[in-house]
Amino acid sequence: GNSVTQMEGPVTLSEEAFLTINCTYTATGYPSLFWYVQYPGEGLQLLLKATKADDKGSNKGFEATYRKETTSFHLEKGSVQVSDSAVYFCALCYVTGGGNKLTFGTGTQLKVEL
Amino acid sequence: DTEVTQTPKHLVMGMTNKKSLKCEQHMGHRAMYWYKQKAKKPPELMFVYSYEKLSINESVPSRFSPECPNSSLLNLHLHALQPEDSALYLCASSRGADQPQHFGDGTRLSIL
Repeated sequence: GNSVTQMEGPVTLSEEAFLTINCTYTATGYPSLFWYVQYPGEGLQLLLKATKADDKGSNKGFEATYRKETTSFHLEKGSVQVSDSAVYFCALCYVTGGGNKLTFGTGTQLKVEL
Repeated sequence: DTEVTQTPKHLVMGMTNKKSLKCEQHMGHRAMYWYKQKAKKPPELMFVYSYEKLSINESVPSRFSPECPNSSLLNLHLHALQPEDSALYLCASSRGADQPQHFGDGTRLSIL
């Protein structure tokens, strides 16, 4: 079946540090891959996406590359800010039943301190 | 600001009450979704509507009853809920089957 594995959190970093959150997946076929972010008390926001192998998604300084050979979609940011503190979910996406189904990882909580 | 609007933001109800959650989007999206999210967990899919018709029901108990009156509105009717149903209920929509889902901020539901 399809599954997503994310690194355990919480991850605690100092402001301006480099961020990597690992995400690997198991899937049949060619799913799309997403990173969603959830700030406290809010819903999920789409952070970035990639729809095929070697695509690089980027947004707000965050990047992730769809690596089919290593079945990975690691999230990176060169310099984190306190405002990046949130929970990050990696997800793979399949079209089905007139909509699509997201398989989420367990989520990684990021805390950025001054 | 989110483009998927959910009301109410908070709801407290007893196990014998009947209440409804509402979700609205005006982006012309044709697929809409209900999720349940427990604390420190990822969202779990409950229902998918496509073109106002129920297309996926993830074996959700019948005390949850979805309804899609029109292309912009999605309701979740609640009846005889259990304490373990306390959670954040999220609505999402997507333009089509191959487009990302956009989430609302959710309704935080507490069952007494």
